[in-house]
Amino acid sequence: AQSVAQPEDQVNVAEGNPLTVKCTYSVSGNPYLFWYVQYPNRGLQFLLKYITGDNLVKGSYGFEAEFNKSQTSFHLKKPSALVSDSALYFCAVRSNQAGTALIFGKGTTLSVSS
Amino acid sequence: DSGVTQTPKHLITATGQRVTLRCSPRSGDLSVYWYQQSLDQGLQFLIQYYNGEERAKGNILERFSAQQFPDLHSELNLSSLELGDSALYFCASTTGGGARPDTQYFGPGTRLTVL
Repeated sequence: AQSVAQPEDQVNVAEGNPLTVKCTYSVSGNPYLFWYVQYPNRGLQFLLKYITGDNLVKGSYGFEAEFNKSQTSFHLKKPSALVSDSALYFCAVRSNQAGTALIFGKGTTLSVSS
Repeated sequence: DSGVTQTPKHLITATGQRVTLRCSPRSGDLSVYWYQQSLDQGLQFLIQYYNGEERAKGNILERFSAQQFPDLHSELNLSSLELGDSALYFCASTTGGGARPDTQYFGPGTRLTVL
């Protein structure tokens, strides 16, 4: 069965510090991996995705994510956090072999303090 | 703004009632996905339509149904509502039917409250 784990319910960082939001996955076949962000009372906004190729993916708003096949991880990173980055972040996966819908993790709340 | 629209934004109704949620995909997108977001279940895939046809089914209850119309907008019908159906319902759209890993663009959601 396909699944996504976001082991941290909340991540706290100070503004200007680097941030990492963790994600691990389990799928049959090769994974397609996505990160979305949700601000309060808003829909999900797409940040970036990994399909194939370079393991380091760059996305919107200065975010990037590193795909690690051996560790089945796809951690979201940003070199310097902003207070405005505070939001709920979701990792999602789908397999290239089964299904078309995204399987989402439970989400990680990122809180950036000034 | 993703280009996906959903109406209404909020819906308050009573147990046992029936409601219809509407979604208009981005211009040019043929697929519509419906998701339910609740505190206890997180974000769950309900159903996908592609160019008017049902393409994939997830954890959708028998009391729920959906359709996609010739103009590609989609409606999610929820009947015999229960308190546990209170949630945020999102639709998302993509260009293709799912064979390719197209990005799903999400609408702002409809918040359903069942009293």
